[in-house]
Amino acid sequence: EPEVTQTPSHQVTQMGQEVILRCVPISNHLYFYWYRQILGQKVEFLVSFYNNEISEKSEIFDDQFSVERPDGSNFTLKIRSTKLEDSAMYFCASARDNTEAFFGQGTRLTVV
Amino acid sequence: EDQVTQSPEALRLQEGESSSLNCSYTVSGLRGLFWYRQDPGKGPEFLFTLYSAGEEKEKERLKATLTKKESFLHITAPKPEDSATYLCAVQFYGNNRLAFGKGNQVVVIP
Repeated sequence: EPEVTQTPSHQVTQMGQEVILRCVPISNHLYFYWYRQILGQKVEFLVSFYNNEISEKSEIFDDQFSVERPDGSNFTLKIRSTKLEDSAMYFCASARDNTEAFFGQGTRLTVV
Repeated sequence: EDQVTQSPEALRLQEGESSSLNCSYTVSGLRGLFWYRQDPGKGPEFLFTLYSAGEEKEKERLKATLTKKESFLHITAPKPEDSATYLCAVQFYGNNRLAFGKGNQVVVIP
């Protein structure tokens, strides 16, 4: 069964460093998303990406964040100058037609 | 203000004891309502999509229903493997995003 794959599963980084979270969406999907979940809180939308551009972003997704689809299979989230409050699980998701989104297993980001 | 409210926050059930989880939403223009299952430390696993009032979907011991302002996830004769957090999310017309509730944490005791 096709699935969304995320790497790494866990990333520890020093405050102020840049991190890149990687995702391989399901191959015939056209819509891509990043969400995050701070420990004990609800899943929050960050950004959606369609047709090689951002289609929607939340208030959380400020200039510190960027997304890229560098080739036909990968989808990345870059966080510049990480802060302690960026510590969370980051989930990538993809959808064929902007309806059911299928999520990866997440990257746990710990900023120290 | 939360757009999606789930209740109860936590529920302990005896194996075989059926129950229902509630998800209510406050904004109009619903495009779809989604139920996911989330196990600790894992990503949400898609269960159902509901699009219009009166619609029902079933999968094994789970059945999801939708009215104009809320959805129910019925768990019939649950087993310990049904223990998880069940997440409700809504998508509105004009948005790509899913807005999630805080979840219903279900523990099924053997």
